[in-house]
Amino acid sequence: TQLLEQSPQFLSIQEGENLTVYCNSSSVFSSLQWYRQEPGEGPVLLVTVVTGGEVKKLKRLTFQFGDARKDSSLHITAAQPGDTGLYLCAGDQGAQKLVFGQGTRLTINP
Amino acid sequence: KAGVTQTPRYLIKTRGQQVTLSCSPISGHRSVSWYQQTPGQGLQFLFEYFSETQRNKGNFPGRFSGRQFSNSRSEMNVSTLELGDSALYLCASSLEPGTAVYEQYFGPGTRLTVT
Repeated sequence: TQLLEQSPQFLSIQEGENLTVYCNSSSVFSSLQWYRQEPGEGPVLLVTVVTGGEVKKLKRLTFQFGDARKDSSLHITAAQPGDTGLYLCAGDQGAQKLVFGQGTRLTINP
Repeated sequence: KAGVTQTPRYLIKTRGQQVTLSCSPISGHRSVSWYQQTPGQGLQFLFEYFSETQRNKGNFPGRFSGRQFSNSRSEMNVSTLELGDSALYLCASSLEPGTAVYEQYFGPGTRLTVT
């Protein structure tokens, strides 16, 4: 059983469209990170959310942490081909040991 | 500040052999974690080292081992390689445990192919 469930697992959309990726759990996390990984490279940390209900923006990317700190979402506005990659969420349950979701593979078609 | 470095980037080994992978963390980071990433299983935690001591361990067989040196550099070793060990091995560094927010920074990985 995956502690962190990401949905969808695969998403292919056209350039300019909006999308949302979800990261859900029944467990509470003290913090949650989002990473983007490109083929053959390691994941790159995009953002860390800590407070329930917190919203952080990174250009066209908006990250939200659920009020109960059990879930998170990533929304991309006007997607571009450069947004293509594997998006991973990872949660810290307080033991400072991250648990990762299985990832969402996003493809933005020109 | 230089990022996490891993060597080698690519490696091809034969079943039964052993392999050692190396990781240098970001300067000032004292905690190093190792992960195995495969298409089917995703990112799986192997172990974490801090102050030359293993702090956490994932659910992998004893063939997988690691160590950390006094300069925080870390190595992981896989003995008696199996075909299923083919994967991208990722190293991540972080500040010492107990910091307010736990964030990990990943290296580019070592792509291991076992034939």
